[in-house]
Amino acid sequence: KAGVTQTPRYLIKTRGQQVTLSCSPISGHRSVSWYQQTPGQGLQFLFEYFSETQRNKGNFPGRFSGRQFSNSRSEMNVSTLELGDSALYLCASSSYSGGAQDTQYFGPGTRLTVL
Amino acid sequence: KNEVEQSPQNLTAQEGEFITINCSYSVGISALHWLQQHPGGGIVSLFMLSSGKKKHGRLIATINIQEKHSSLHITASHPRDSAVYICAASLGGGADGLTFGKGTHLIIQP
Repeated sequence: KAGVTQTPRYLIKTRGQQVTLSCSPISGHRSVSWYQQTPGQGLQFLFEYFSETQRNKGNFPGRFSGRQFSNSRSEMNVSTLELGDSALYLCASSSYSGGAQDTQYFGPGTRLTVL
Repeated sequence: KNEVEQSPQNLTAQEGEFITINCSYSVGISALHWLQQHPGGGIVSLFMLSSGKKKHGRLIATINIQEKHSSLHITASHPRDSAVYICAASLGGGADGLTFGKGTHLIIQP
């Protein structure tokens, strides 16, 4: 089975712009979670989608949003980018309905740089 | 709010040494994950456990629910084990996200 894929792998944007990141889970996986990783804060949970519904959301401002499609692919969007949004954005999929209570399979990440 | 603490933050050891990384958390959890991250960012899930002990090759993970503590052990360490090891906790009780420790940066010298 192919692993979790994320596109694009690298992205450079300027402050005020918006960005959309994409994640394709492992075939058959219905849960997709998004995480942000920065040197200062480490890994932080953004949100989780299961069967096209957002089940849980971390402590991030409303500029961060996401969605999941019927084929389980997921996108996250960040509007009005700030310098502090520069980070590695990781998605992870899991095969059962337990989300964070199931083994997470991580994608390679999208490295976003905001100038 | 659940806090996840890892120790040590940095660890340098010689090839062949027995390695222990510790993780403690502040509230009851439903699952504890151990992750490995190599330079370049890729993260691999090593273990997910809710009780007892799991073993995979030279890696062993244990959890003590009463003491809110988990350990990751590496036996006969090798330079290829050099990576950042991260523990993460799930509160359970329905859908929830992971709360992560800050990670342990392990370097195994030949």
